[in-house]
Amino acid sequence: DTGVSQDPRHKITKRGQNVTFRCDPISEHNRLYWYRQTLGQGPEFLTYFQNEAQLEKSRLLSDRFSAERPKGSFSTLEIQRTEQGDSAMYLCASSPTRDEQYFGPGTRLTVT
Amino acid sequence: QKEVEQNSGPLSVPEGAIASLNCTYSDRGSQSFFWYRQYSGKSPELIMSIYSNGDKEDGRFTAQLNKASQYVSLLIRDSQPSDSATYLCAVGLAFGKGNQVVVIP
Repeated sequence: DTGVSQDPRHKITKRGQNVTFRCDPISEHNRLYWYRQTLGQGPEFLTYFQNEAQLEKSRLLSDRFSAERPKGSFSTLEIQRTEQGDSAMYLCASSPTRDEQYFGPGTRLTVT
Repeated sequence: QKEVEQNSGPLSVPEGAIASLNCTYSDRGSQSFFWYRQYSGKSPELIMSIYSNGDKEDGRFTAQLNKASQYVSLLIRDSQPSDSATYLCAVGLAFGKGNQVVVIP
């Protein structure tokens, strides 16, 4: 399978805990994106990388969220001190160029 | 804040008909425009990209872009039940909330 992969697919955590998600992009894609999607809404942009450089981060993104892409390969998204409002589907996408994005299956986060 | 608006409610079309979806955007400097299809419980799938004014056709899909009026549209010809999904308009990195399409056999 050469598509975008995400791990885990589901995560249930208690409020206040930290969680980390991983995304492996399509191997030849140098751009990687993170989005959050809740029911009935479109994906909400969080951040994106070109290679290892984080080029843009949403102003809506709390300081509790951080993302890394060491060596320009896989990426991790960490949420610290989770809140119930963080419950959502977290989507990762990659792109070879010009923001044509290919999405992974997502990680569904439930904060109890 | 860059906004992408998809204001139409759910769209029901009979099988074989044309489904028409519209999207407007606020950032006049936008350069890239996309349509994604999202089946229930699945992640978005890219179906069309368009970068210049005019029409772009790919199979049964046609995307139309009018930068002066700041809108982009998607036509689905000969609609099939398998086209039943939510269609998301994206302008750059910003997505609209989507329009649900239901194709009635």
